Amino acid sequence: AQSVAQPEDQVNVAEGNPLTVKCTYSVSGNPYLFWYVQYPNRGLQFLLKYITGDNLVKGSYGFEAEFNKSQTSFHLKKPSALVSDSALYFCAVRDLARAGNMLTFGGGTRLMVKP
Amino acid sequence: DSGVTQTPKHLITATGQRVTLRCSPRSGDLSVYWYQQSLDQGLQFLIQYYNGEERAKGNILERFSAQQFPDLHSELNLSSLELGDSALYFCASSVGGRDEQYFGPGTRLTVT
Repeated sequence: AQSVAQPEDQVNVAEGNPLTVKCTYSVSGNPYLFWYVQYPNRGLQFLLKYITGDNLVKGSYGFEAEFNKSQTSFHLKKPSALVSDSALYFCAVRDLARAGNMLTFGGGTRLMVKP
Repeated sequence: DSGVTQTPKHLITATGQRVTLRCSPRSGDLSVYWYQQSLDQGLQFLIQYYNGEERAKGNILERFSAQQFPDLHSELNLSSLELGDSALYFCASSVGGRDEQYFGPGTRLTVT
């Protein structure tokens, strides 16, 4: 079965500092990996994805993520955090060994950026 | 705005009742997905349809059913509702079966 772990319930960072939100995954086949962000009372917004190719993928709003196959990780990063980045972040995985396109989500990490 | 629309935005109903949630995918998207978000279970995949056909099934209760119509909109039917069914229900869509999914704003269901 596929699974995703986000080990931190909350990450606190000062505005202007770099941020990292951690994600590890487990799949039986090759993974497709995604990051989504959820603002209060809103749906999930797609940030970026890893399908194949370069291990460093760039996404919306200056976010990027690094795929590490040996560590089965897909950490989300941003060089300089903004207060407006404060939100709930979800990592998700799709296992290519399974039929369909179902996503398995991690539990979410709340990012708090303080001025 | 993702382009995925969901109605209604909020729904309050009593235990034992039946409700229908509606989703219109982004223009051109053939796949529709339903997810449930609750505090104790997190975000869970329920079911996927692709061009009218069921493609994948997750932890969807037998009391729940869904369908995708020829115009590609989808409905999620929840029956014999229980207090534990209170949650946010999201619909998402994608172009095909392999692409990123775009989520609607959700329907908040409260069962009293």
